[in-house]
Amino acid sequence: DTAVSQTPKYLVTQMGNDKSIKCEQNLGHDTMYWYKQDSKKFLKIMFSYNNKELIINETVPNRFSPKSPDKAHLNLHINSLELGDSAVYFCASSQRISGGAGDTQYFGPGTRLTVL
Amino acid sequence: AQSVTQPDIHITVSEGASLELRCNYSYGATPYLFWYVQSPGQGLQLLLKYFSGDTLVQGIKGFEAEFKRSQSSFNLRKPSVHWSDAAEYFCAVGQNTGNQFYFGTGTSLTVIP
Repeated sequence: DTAVSQTPKYLVTQMGNDKSIKCEQNLGHDTMYWYKQDSKKFLKIMFSYNNKELIINETVPNRFSPKSPDKAHLNLHINSLELGDSAVYFCASSQRISGGAGDTQYFGPGTRLTVL
Repeated sequence: AQSVTQPDIHITVSEGASLELRCNYSYGATPYLFWYVQSPGQGLQLLLKYFSGDTLVQGIKGFEAEFKRSQSSFNLRKPSVHWSDAAEYFCAVGQNTGNQFYFGTGTSLTVIP
């Protein structure tokens, strides 16, 4: 069984469109994250939710809006897509044990977003 | 500002040779330290982590890392590399203040037969 799953795996879309990426974890974790990995493989955290509450919101355009309907899901909605949004987006989850930053994160397989 | 540096962008080693991947961090206190591996087209998998205690940490797949406070380093090592170890390796630092988590820029490992 996949622990952290993301759909879709690949997403190709035109500039200006709105798209969503879904993430689900079946580990019973209470914290979930979204990361962006650029073409140089640099990974940067975008958002973090703990028990459906936003706890990290890095400087990302407000076109990006995370939505957590329940503890097991953290979806990423992106409005008015731009060329620079092309990247691989990773979802992750962790169980809050060490106070947050020390918790082991489990990553999904990634969603490769290409904006044309 | 906190930072994580992986000085080697790309490393090539022969199968069976030893490996050391470097990681340096800048942070006032002892952070949480991690090494993750990313195989092509895959997500990240935790290799090992350091919180406190013994500074030599054992991980999965035969990897180990040593925390050296004086050098602000957390280098990853493996005595004998296998072809399946070819991947991207990321060092990461977590700090509870502000609940921040930072990845290094990664080191790409190529293993030649």
